[in-house]
Amino acid sequence: DVKVTQSSRYLVKRTGEKVFLECVQDMDHENMFWYRQDPGLGLRLIYFSYDVKMKEKGDIPEGYSVSREKKERFSLILESASTNQTSMYLCASSLEGPSYEQYFGPGTRLTVT
Amino acid sequence: AQSVTQLDSQVPVFEEAPVELRCNYSSSVSVYLFWYVQYPNQGLQLLLKYLSGSTLVESINGFEAEFNKSQTSFHLRKPSVHISDTAEYFCAVSLRGGSNYKLTFGKGTLLTVNP
Repeated sequence: DVKVTQSSRYLVKRTGEKVFLECVQDMDHENMFWYRQDPGLGLRLIYFSYDVKMKEKGDIPEGYSVSREKKERFSLILESASTNQTSMYLCASSLEGPSYEQYFGPGTRLTVT
Repeated sequence: AQSVTQLDSQVPVFEEAPVELRCNYSSSVSVYLFWYVQYPNQGLQLLLKYLSGSTLVESINGFEAEFNKSQTSFHLRKPSVHISDTAEYFCAVSLRGGSNYKLTFGKGTLLTVNP
C-alpha cells in the first residue's frame, strides 16, 4: 500500500519561530510537492522537487524554503513563522510525468500564534 | 497559464438523489484532467482521471466524469449518492507534454449528503 507520511498532524508555533514540516514517501517517487490548503482557496502549490537536491518554486513560495537531501524525504521550512502562515499543509508525491496521480499525506494543521 | 473553475462551492443533496459537480478549465495547450476527493480529516485521493480515449471515465464507487473539449469541461456526476459520499471534491489539470509536473486545482466543492 502506497504511503505518504507527514511528521505531525497538528502543530502550534509562535510568531518568529523556525518551523520544519517533514514528509516521507515509500514509493520511490521522483516528484514531491508541498501545498497549503485554505478554505475557499483550494490547494496552492508552494514548492515542488523533481529529484534529489532539485526544486522549483510553485505559486506561493514567499516565506518558505524546502530541502530534499534524500529521494524519500521532502522538508518544508518556514524561516520565521507568521500568523498568515496558519494553514493546512499537504505533502504529495508522484512518478515522473504529468499524467501520473499524486499521492497525498494526511496533512499538518499549523497554527502560528 | 492554465486555470480551473469549480462553479459551486457547496452542494447539499439528499441521500439517493443524483448530483453533478461542475468543473471548467482554461488552457492554451492540451491537458490531463483529474478529480480528487478529500474526506473529513484526510488528505486528498484520486477519484478518477482522463488521459485519452473514451471521454467518459468512471470510478470504482459509482462516480463518472465526461471530458467535453468544446466546452472545456469535466463535470463529475453520480446517479444516486450515499451519506458516505460527503466530502470535498477538487478538479485539477496538468499540461500534456510539459516538463512542469504541477497540478492546478480548483477551489473545491463541498458535497454534503443529508439523510
